[in-house]
Amino acid sequence: DGGITQSPKYLFRKEGQNVTLSCEQNLNHDAMYWYRQDPGQGLRLIYYSQIVNDFQKGDIAEGYSVSREKKESFPLTVTSAQKNPTAFYLCASSIVAYNEKLFFGSGTQLSVL
Amino acid sequence: GQQVMQIPQYQHVQEGEDFTTYCNSSTTLSNIQWYKQRPGGHPVFLIQLVKSGEVKKQKRLTFQFGEAKKNSSLHITATQTTDVGTYFCAGQNSGGSNYKLTFGKGTLLTVNP
Repeated sequence: DGGITQSPKYLFRKEGQNVTLSCEQNLNHDAMYWYRQDPGQGLRLIYYSQIVNDFQKGDIAEGYSVSREKKESFPLTVTSAQKNPTAFYLCASSIVAYNEKLFFGSGTQLSVL
Repeated sequence: GQQVMQIPQYQHVQEGEDFTTYCNSSTTLSNIQWYKQRPGGHPVFLIQLVKSGEVKKQKRLTFQFGEAKKNSSLHITATQTTDVGTYFCAGQNSGGSNYKLTFGKGTLLTVNP
């Protein structure tokens, strides 16, 4: 089945630690996105990538980093500089970046120990 | 930057009652999308509106895009318990190279059977 796979489903971070969230898609989509969702809030864009080897900062990129070395993969690293990382992280993809619907993964819940 | 406001934040209805959520953008949009997120789940695309004044229906759901392309609404007729979830609108800027979708904070719908 085609889709977006996020792993792990739950992740715990110790203070000062960097953690990486995985996102893989087999939809052959060019564009991929990372959103952060806090309780009662909308989805806020962290980073997005329109094409392999290219990505742009979203609205809340500070404390996060990404890479897009392969079309299928768009991992997100939450660095120790992100002081409030507890949230639900959603990866999404679309055929192209503009005027297209998003397909979301099932999300990763990150908590701080 | 672009802001998308969505009201109400919460709505509780009796099964069989109607429900409406409203979305307003601070800027003119090229398109607006609607997503539904079930409790514990991830957002799922419902529909995209592109044309000024556009109205689209999906069974009991009616979506409208304002004439000025700055507001939208989702109306559910005769709600059912399966309609429970958070409904998000997401607007995309008109013109330029800004491909970001800006999400509203969502309306959480609960239905009393």
